Amino acid sequence: AQSVTQLDSQVPVFEEAPVELRCNYSSSVSVYLFWYVQYPNQGLQLLLKYLSGSTLVESINGFEAEFNKSQTSFHLRKPSVHISDTAEYFCAVTLRGGSQGNLIFGKGTKLSVKP
Amino acid sequence: DTGVSQDPRHKITKRGQNVTFRCDPISEHNRLYWYRQTLGQGPEFLTYFQNEAQLEKSRLLSDRFSAERPKGSFSTLEIQRTEQGDSAMYLCASSRDRGWYGYTFGSGTRLTVV
Repeated sequence: AQSVTQLDSQVPVFEEAPVELRCNYSSSVSVYLFWYVQYPNQGLQLLLKYLSGSTLVESINGFEAEFNKSQTSFHLRKPSVHISDTAEYFCAVTLRGGSQGNLIFGKGTKLSVKP
Repeated sequence: DTGVSQDPRHKITKRGQNVTFRCDPISEHNRLYWYRQTLGQGPEFLTYFQNEAQLEKSRLLSDRFSAERPKGSFSTLEIQRTEQGDSAMYLCASSRDRGWYGYTFGSGTRLTVV
């Protein structure tokens, strides 16, 4: 069975500082990987995904994540955060080639950006 | 297209009562998913539909829970004889075909059982 571990439940940072949100997964088969973001009082939004190809994937708002198969990790990074990045971030995994497409989520990391 | 809609946004009910939630997916999405999110946890898969067929149910979905998707459009999730442990955010999502292209989530229904 697959599982996702987000190593930090809360990450406080100052505005314009870099940030890394860590995600490790466990699976005996190949997987697809996702990061979702949840702003206060809103639904989850897809931030970026790794399906195949380049192991470095980017979002439109400056976040990037790198798939590392040997370390079974998919850490999310941003070189300079803004106040508006304050949200909860969820890493998720699903089986490559699986028929269901249902996602297994981590417990989330709350990113708090301070001025 | 206004995205995935869920109704109601909040529901407070007394223990033992039945509740029903509704989800309207994006119209061209043939897959619909229900998840539950409790405080401090990530969303947990409950069930999913492809068109009107319910293809998988999690073991989290006890026999007090039932979900339907008549005609492959909107879906309802009913909880009978609610318990305090049912208090959670219930999330609906939809996708085209397989979910690895990314789901679109609704804003959720927050259930509080008192």
